[in-house]
Amino acid sequence: AQKITQTQPGMFVQEKEAVTLDCTYDTSDPSYGLFWYKQPSSGEMIFLIYQGSYDQQNATEGRYSLNFQKARKSANLVISASQLGDSAMYFCAMRENWGYSTLTFGKGTMLLVSP
Amino acid sequence: EAQVTQNPRYLITVTGKKLTVTCSQNMNHEYMSWYRQDPGLGLRQIYYSMNVEVTDKGDVPEGYKVSRKEKRNFPLILESPSPNQTSLYFCASSQPIGTGITRELFFGEGSRLTVL
Repeated sequence: AQKITQTQPGMFVQEKEAVTLDCTYDTSDPSYGLFWYKQPSSGEMIFLIYQGSYDQQNATEGRYSLNFQKARKSANLVISASQLGDSAMYFCAMRENWGYSTLTFGKGTMLLVSP
Repeated sequence: EAQVTQNPRYLITVTGKKLTVTCSQNMNHEYMSWYRQDPGLGLRQIYYSMNVEVTDKGDVPEGYKVSRKEKRNFPLILESPSPNQTSLYFCASSQPIGTGITRELFFGEGSRLTVL
């Protein structure tokens, strides 16, 4: 069974609008972390945001926020005020067991921001 | 500057010719890992290492070898490359979450390998 599911292969959004990229996960471990990475066309992997399973508040980093719904096992990435430079592939990932395990990635969502 | 360095960045080779992709990190990280990225499949883990002399298989280890003789280096070895190993490869490192120091995975810039 997939541990990380990203159901949106592609998303389109207009500049300055907000967009939500979906991510659901599957784990029975109470101690895990959730990550989002951005991969622009140049290929590098850029860390965006992290949410720990015991964190009380949703993580935020500038225009990025993580809508963490633990009971539903979802960790959606919200990008506010989209910019053209946000066009990229976005990956959700999870690490279990306090980090003493591997990082498992979803298949990614391609986001295209139009003017 | 904290970084993960992979070499080569681009390589075209032929079936059966052994090659090694080097990976080095300067952050004293315990954890290192190799991923391959293919269209529509996301990133899949090949091998990982929790510390020196400790390595383990990921999801797609067939056709690959690794070694971790020292903390900073984690080379990926393709003993007899085949065309299905044509892919974009990433090396990454981190401290485990439990240390509370750094949680994200730091990635190298990627190595694009083509096997003819």
